Amino acid sequence: EVQLVESGGGLAQPGGSLRLSCAASGFTFHRFGMHWVRQAPGKGLEWISYISSYSTGSGTPNYADSVKGRFTISRDDAQNSLDLQMNSLRDEDTAVYYCARDQEWLPDYWGQGILVTVSS
Amino acid sequence: DIQMTQSPSSLSASVGDRVTITCRASQGIRNNLGWYQQKPGKAPKRLIYAASSLQSGVPSRFSGSGSGTEFSLTISSLQPEDFATYYCLQHNSFPLLTFGGGTKVEIK
Repeated sequence: EVQLVESGGGLAQPGGSLRLSCAASGFTFHRFGMHWVRQAPGKGLEWISYISSYSTGSGTPNYADSVKGRFTISRDDAQNSLDLQMNSLRDEDTAVYYCARDQEWLPDYWGQGILVTVSS
Repeated sequence: DIQMTQSPSSLSASVGDRVTITCRASQGIRNNLGWYQQKPGKAPKRLIYAASSLQSGVPSRFSGSGSGTEFSLTISSLQPEDFATYYCLQHNSFPLLTFGGGTKVEIK
């Protein structure tokens, strides 16, 4: 069974940093690209980042304009984990953050989500 | 950037109704689109990929159609468990993805 479990969320101050992790199991992690998607309270879904697998895309990262230059996606295939380093946090980064596996160029399996709150 | 416009933003329907949600792309995206269902407090669930391919395990009352700039998700006979919010997602500009704004399906 595919499982994705996010951790590392919580409260951060504006301008601060937070690191999210996503632990993957139940599939061959290194073969799949991975996404981060977020959802602000009461709002819709927003794709924010993708990292390819090293076997198909050299682990190339991509970002939405809203987080480019502030967030960094990375993966550790030995640990079956995906990370999102979030720097220079803003109020508008407050959201539930989901990691998701890519299949057929779209997220298929999703984690349960982790809440990040940016507030002073 | 590709923009995705979903309509309606919400609708009320009864159990057994046929429901159709549409998604319009700001430019042609071939069939590079998926549909997701999200229930309150839960992660999204993929229903459709490649515009019309049904995800394994998803009931056959869900169907997708369209190509280019106009797409639709149809629920042929609405069931109680289908009350949720639905999103389209384009991947023509993969890996840069764009969601539609969502359609909330409520009980009439």
